[in-house]
Amino acid sequence: KAGVTQTPRYLIKTRGQQVTLSCSPISGHRSVSWYQQTPGQGLQFLFEYFSETQRNKGNFPGRFSGRQFSNSRSEMNVSTLELGDSALYLCASSLFSFGGRGSPLHFGNGTRLTVT
Amino acid sequence: QQQVKQSPQSLIVQKGGIPIINCAYENTAFDYFPWYQQFPGKGPALLIAIRPDVSEKKEGRFTISFNKSAKQFSLHIMDSQPGDSATYFCAASKGANNLFFGTGTRLTVIP
Repeated sequence: KAGVTQTPRYLIKTRGQQVTLSCSPISGHRSVSWYQQTPGQGLQFLFEYFSETQRNKGNFPGRFSGRQFSNSRSEMNVSTLELGDSALYLCASSLFSFGGRGSPLHFGNGTRLTVT
Repeated sequence: QQQVKQSPQSLIVQKGGIPIINCAYENTAFDYFPWYQQFPGKGPALLIAIRPDVSEKKEGRFTISFNKSAKQFSLHIMDSQPGDSATYFCAASKGANNLFFGTGTRLTVIP
């Protein structure tokens, strides 16, 4: 079974631009979560989608948004990029909503975003 | 506000040693405590998880110890190997809500 696939692996953008990241979950998984990973903060939860609906949202500004399609694939968009948005963005899928109660999170290898 | 506090930030042990990584939480409603292992260039992968109704869980060389009254849990790696060198994250969640992760511990096992 193929794992979680994130594209692209690397992105370099300029401050003020916008970016879209893509995530294909494991086949059959209906939940997709997004995390931002930085050296000092660890993994910070962005949002979770389940069956095309945003179920949970973390404490990030409105510049960060996402969506999920009917095939469970998900995209994350960041508008008006800031230098502080430079991070590894991880997508995780699970069978049921979130990673608890026997439905562990399966992470992709991430998209490394650099904002200059 | 960090929901789960993890220490140490980094750890270096000799092969065969027993590294211990500690985590503490405040929310007594948390009912699921997993540990994730992350190698460079890869996403985190679930290593082992525990629920608060047990005090210890072992899977191979990895053991979670859980102290409900102290609101602390820890990961022990027995007979550590160079291949265990990775970043380890503890996490906690309540029901089907989002996982709160610790800030990570970079473990280096010296041959």
